[in-house]
Amino acid sequence: QVQLVESGGGLVKPGRSLRLSCVGSDFVFRDYYMNWFRQAPGKGLEWVSYISSAGETIHYADSVKGRFTISRDNAKNLLTLQMNSLRVEDTALYYCARGLVYAPGDLWGPGTLVTVSS
Amino acid sequence: EIVMTQTPLSLPVTPGEPASISCRSSQSLFDSYDRKTYLDWYLQKPGQSPQILIHTLSYRASGVPDRFSGSGSGTDFTLKISMVEAEDVGIYYCMQRIEFPWTLGQGTKVEIK
Repeated sequence: QVQLVESGGGLVKPGRSLRLSCVGSDFVFRDYYMNWFRQAPGKGLEWVSYISSAGETIHYADSVKGRFTISRDNAKNLLTLQMNSLRVEDTALYYCARGLVYAPGDLWGPGTLVTVSS
Repeated sequence: EIVMTQTPLSLPVTPGEPASISCRSSQSLFDSYDRKTYLDWYLQKPGQSPQILIHTLSYRASGVPDRFSGSGSGTDFTLKISMVEAEDVGIYYCMQRIEFPWTLGQGTKVEIK
């Protein structure tokens, strides 16, 4: 079944770290660029980070730049988001999504919840 | 960064009637190199992950009913639903991907009257 599944969310104290994972199944993972989006409770969608299909191009939202690191392992169909120096405002449901230039965001995972609280 | 502004933020609709959502960007989303406009529309149904409806201004994503259409140019865009169905309720987002950081509108909540 073609799908993306995120994992790694949880409750963490401010200033600590968390690593999110997203695994793709039944499609050619290396053909797609990948993104992380997030949605704070009761709020709208926010784009977080982008990585190109081979991993050579990376971008971040200003709100996470310098604290979050996106990476991928195409041999394992794996996308990761290393989140350091977490803040209360990073609390959100984090989604991974794949895309192509002319087929953006055509597959999303169910999300993994990150709660940053003391 | 490019600011995306949607109107209205709430839209009560009647099944069978048309509906439209507007989205405005603070900069043009037209790429003169490939002559494409990088504006996408997503729908997040209650309790679900977002799903792509329209990409690159006016291209319906695979499996999307033809009652959905996207139009516009430059900085002003519209998503139209020709005849609303009950399953169309949810929050609609426009998103620009002509330049990083990609940015989304605040969302428009569509609900049945």
